Amino acid sequence: NAGVMQNPRHLVRRRGQEARLRCSPMKGHSHVYWYRQLPEEGLKFMVYLQKENIIDESGMPKERFSAEFPKEGPSILRIQQVVRGDSAAYFCASSRRQGTYEQYFGPGTRLTVT
Amino acid sequence: DAKTTQPNSMESNEEEPVHLPCNHSTISGTDYIHWYRQLPSQGPEYVIHGLTSNVNNRMASLAIAEDRKSSTLILHRATLRDAAVYYCILRDGGSGGSNYKLTFGKGTLLTVNP
Repeated sequence: NAGVMQNPRHLVRRRGQEARLRCSPMKGHSHVYWYRQLPEEGLKFMVYLQKENIIDESGMPKERFSAEFPKEGPSILRIQQVVRGDSAAYFCASSRRQGTYEQYFGPGTRLTVT
Repeated sequence: DAKTTQPNSMESNEEEPVHLPCNHSTISGTDYIHWYRQLPSQGPEYVIHGLTSNVNNRMASLAIAEDRKSSTLILHRATLRDAAVYYCILRDGGSGGSNYKLTFGKGTLLTVNP
């Protein structure tokens, strides 16, 4: 059973470009979560999605960031007009159900903005 | 969210048991105690969770104090591959709320000496 997959693993973008991060949850999991880990900081919740629905985006910056989880295909975290402060590791997790069930994390995408 | 307190770092020798403490004096009756770990350059990994009784799985054991104000993650025989940051996280098992969010603190950096 394949785990959570994320790609790309490393992404370099120049300031002002767009970054697209993809996440395929574990088989049978319909709940997806994105977290961000800034350098020397802990992981912070960004957004929680179910298929075609954003459930909670309270951790997302108000501008330039968006997320989706379409009926078909992976979940996408999109960052428009990236700035140096967006450089971080972005982790996706999935779970079978909502609530306190364990979340399974992917290996992360390390975004570097030059 | 109820808070947890962990030591910043601990050291262990290979093949020896490791006891990682966590204090959560403001825990509520419906809070589950979850442990995750993050190996270097990887995503967090679920380790174990419990509510009131001690729990065992193939990775570790979780010992929960009778008053539930503290818990201890036990690695029975540490290996070099156990070197990671260990996070103790409380999650509200009650209905409603945002218990799907994992709130990561600074965790305990475990160093395993050969």
